[in-house]
Amino acid sequence: QQPVQSPQAVILREGEDAVINCSSSKALYSVHWYRQKHGEAPVFLMILLKGGEQKGHEKISASFNEKKQQSSLYLTASQLSYSGTYFCGTLTTDSWGKLQFGAGTQVVVTP
Amino acid sequence: NAGVTQTPKFRVLKTGQSMTLLCAQDMNHEYMYWYRQDPGMGLRLIHYSVGEGTTAKGEVPDGYNVSRLKKQNFLLGLESAAPSQTSVYFCASSYRNGDLRLNTEAFFGQGTRLTVV
Repeated sequence: QQPVQSPQAVILREGEDAVINCSSSKALYSVHWYRQKHGEAPVFLMILLKGGEQKGHEKISASFNEKKQQSSLYLTASQLSYSGTYFCGTLTTDSWGKLQFGAGTQVVVTP
Repeated sequence: NAGVTQTPKFRVLKTGQSMTLLCAQDMNHEYMYWYRQDPGMGLRLIHYSVGEGTTAKGEVPDGYNVSRLKKQNFLLGLESAAPSQTSVYFCASSYRNGDLRLNTEAFFGQGTRLTVV
């Protein structure tokens, strides 16, 4: 079952912050975050492992709450280059290598 | 280092025709995946493989078959194409990082845009 992402879309002005959420109905082993620009392939941002680790990429960070089976991606002081569609991918504890993605969150950063 | 290469990049098929999409990776990755991407649906897993000679079904396997005879190649077959299979197909691969249940970042190919008329 695909993880559920929210919101579906967000429009930001440069410098504003945003949060993208990802939740699963199954126990999670790890969460991946990717960004896709229009017409391109998804590009890896970070992996979070069970244990609540926070990772960072530029001014993009994420958290992972394994008890709630949720992850959040934080876009801080957004830049125009942050525009794109963000996907979370999950590996559940009952699967082996089965990487499933959510429907994506479209982020538009305007000047 | 080419990474993940998908062949072909574009294809138009008539309903009922068959075709095979090829995914090749040169990173010695254990895991390989086929996804389809449709507007508003995100990346949906079709089939995946955790090693040479093994494949498993994803969320939307109907109408597709796969084979992984060599570690570096993962083939996706459409036996009788239908308009509902019009989509962008992405292949991805990933390295197994020690723990059998963990993999590292997935590297994606550039995608295959398939239209079935």
